[in-house]
Amino acid sequence: GAGVSQSPSNKVTEKGKDVELRCDPISGHTALYWYRQRLGQGLEFLIYFQGNSAPDKSGLPSDRFSAERTGESVSTLTIQRTQQEDSAVYLCASSLRLAGVQTQYFGPGTRLLVL
Amino acid sequence: AQKITQTQPGMFVQEKEAVTLDCTYDTSDPSYGLFWYKQPSSGEMIFLIYQGSYDQQNATEGRYSLNFQKARKSANLVISASQLGDSAMYFCAMREGSGNQFYFGTGTSLTVIP
Repeated sequence: GAGVSQSPSNKVTEKGKDVELRCDPISGHTALYWYRQRLGQGLEFLIYFQGNSAPDKSGLPSDRFSAERTGESVSTLTIQRTQQEDSAVYLCASSLRLAGVQTQYFGPGTRLLVL
Repeated sequence: AQKITQTQPGMFVQEKEAVTLDCTYDTSDPSYGLFWYKQPSSGEMIFLIYQGSYDQQNATEGRYSLNFQKARKSANLVISASQLGDSAMYFCAMREGSGNQFYFGTGTSLTVIP
């Protein structure tokens, strides 16, 4: 596809369940970011992958959150034992350097609602 | 301290008028990039414009321009000839040259009035 895709687009789950969110970056983009956006808020950085380097996990809010990426392909964000405060839109972005600028291209997001 | 500050939660502008959305930033890194994104009600984040810290001239992209005042650490977005389709949330973001993260502001909701 031409852009970043994410699935599912919407997810409703019960408190305590695990959820897995998927991101398919733009082909050839070496960098991939996950963000969380709570209702009416800005974007909160979660994790960054760059090629085969160790990911920057400094934004993960707790050990219930984890993410994986194999090479420069698909990434999954897993939230274990979900809590109501995890309800948010989870945005994925991939990026490529264009003339020195690392411009991010965002997916449509996954809207997560924890009941 | 906040890396990116957007002090205008909401703004209104008359169609065809120009509007300025404010953004100030905080960094001690001499190398950084500043970005503006648009987020319509559909939710996708759309890249609008970029300004590098070493760029001598203000960035422009069509109806968008970035009023970059380095000494004041401000990077205001100017939208000229506003259109109804410009109604959206606008986010300012920064990436420091030494880091991986993009820091986002809390956004400004722009409403264009016909």
